Amino acid sequence: GENVEQHPSTLSVQEGDSAVIKCTYSDSASNYFPWYKQELGKRPQLIIDIRSNVGEKKDQRIAVTLNKTAKHFSLHITETQPEDSAVYFCAASQFRGNKLVFGAGTILRVKS
Amino acid sequence: GAVVSQHPSWVICKSGTSVKIECRSLDFQATTMFWYRQFPKQSLMLMATSNEGSKATYEQGVEKDKFLINHASLTLSTLTVTSAHPEDSSFYICSAQMGAGQPQHFGDGTRLSIL
Repeated sequence: GENVEQHPSTLSVQEGDSAVIKCTYSDSASNYFPWYKQELGKRPQLIIDIRSNVGEKKDQRIAVTLNKTAKHFSLHITETQPEDSAVYFCAASQFRGNKLVFGAGTILRVKS
Repeated sequence: GAVVSQHPSWVICKSGTSVKIECRSLDFQATTMFWYRQFPKQSLMLMATSNEGSKATYEQGVEKDKFLINHASLTLSTLTVTSAHPEDSSFYICSAQMGAGQPQHFGDGTRLSIL
């Protein structure tokens, strides 16, 4: 089955700096890659997703890149703000299977 | 749009009790609902996939007789933890999906504490 690895487990950045979180996946059949932000005790919130037919997607300060050949995808947050502090999860799934396999999560701390 | 409501948000009960958790899609019809469990400082682990009107598909290692899932309508799925024990204490989160290939939208989660 699919296996998703996520790095780093913890990331501290200064306010205004960029943050990058990386994930790799094992199943070449996976074709949908969402990123979720979860604040303590709250629901995971979808912040951006990408399908395998594109290599990059951007939404304001957030961008995701996908390298299908290498089977890895990354989340980029620019101009970080304290409210970006949370746990971020990457995930992978197949269109037909729908099951999401999550990475272990990255605790992002933005210091002001 | 795409709001998922989960109830209750917090449950504390004695060992041996059965607990039912509801997951509702409020503004859309969900062909598929998913149930996850999340232990402190860990990732979300899929327990089962539920399609309306059919039996749930459980992940390996998840006891289907202990975690009963009912998906009676396109807007409601329930998870019943039968004869709960302290090791079942966890954060249970559901998600709902409008259709194949669509994003999953998560509920607020239920924190279950078994004494």
